[in-house]
Amino acid sequence: EAGVAQSPRYKIIEKRQSVAFWCNPISGHATLYWYQQILGQGPKLLIQFQNNGVVDDSQLPKDRFSAERLKGVDSTLKIQPAKLEDSAVYLCASRLTRGPNSYNEQFFGPGTRLTVL
Amino acid sequence: GIQVEQSPPDLILQEGANSTLRCNFSDSVNNLQWFHQNPWGQLINLFYIPSGTKQNGRLSATTVATERYSLLYISSSQTTDSGVYFCAVVGGGFKTIFGAGTRLFVKA
Repeated sequence: EAGVAQSPRYKIIEKRQSVAFWCNPISGHATLYWYQQILGQGPKLLIQFQNNGVVDDSQLPKDRFSAERLKGVDSTLKIQPAKLEDSAVYLCASRLTRGPNSYNEQFFGPGTRLTVL
Repeated sequence: GIQVEQSPPDLILQEGANSTLRCNFSDSVNNLQWFHQNPWGQLINLFYIPSGTKQNGRLSATTVATERYSLLYISSSQTTDSGVYFCAVVGGGFKTIFGAGTRLFVKA
């Protein structure tokens, strides 16, 4: 079974530029997550989708970050304009379903390492 | 929101030694996972363990949900066990919260 795919793996941009990341979850997984992991810290949830709807984006800096999951499969995360503090690894994860009695795991992709100069 | 605390923050072991990593959480959770982040940054699933005890080879985990903690045991450690171990919980709002991790280095 294929895992969570992400691209690109690395990206270097200048501040104030824009950047987009792509994620393809495990086939059939309804729930998709984007996390930001700053060096030396644990991942922080940015946004969570259930199919193509947003169920939590409380920690997404909406003035510069946006995300979408058209057709409930692939997802893109965009930053526009980027700031120096956005330098981090952006991780995508997926899970079969979301409900409280759905005891199943999140699986993570390899991440995209973003450097903002 | 739920607070997740992991201890110790850093751990250095001699190859072959055993260790226990702890994860405390401040409220009841729907599920809990342990991950190993390898030196290349990949998060590898170790255990899905909202309660009870599980074992997988040299690793085992126990979650006591009523007392709000989970333990990860590593026996006969190997250099390949090095990396960061994360505990992640999901609470009533379905938001996933990660701890800060335990950084493990196993010396040959």
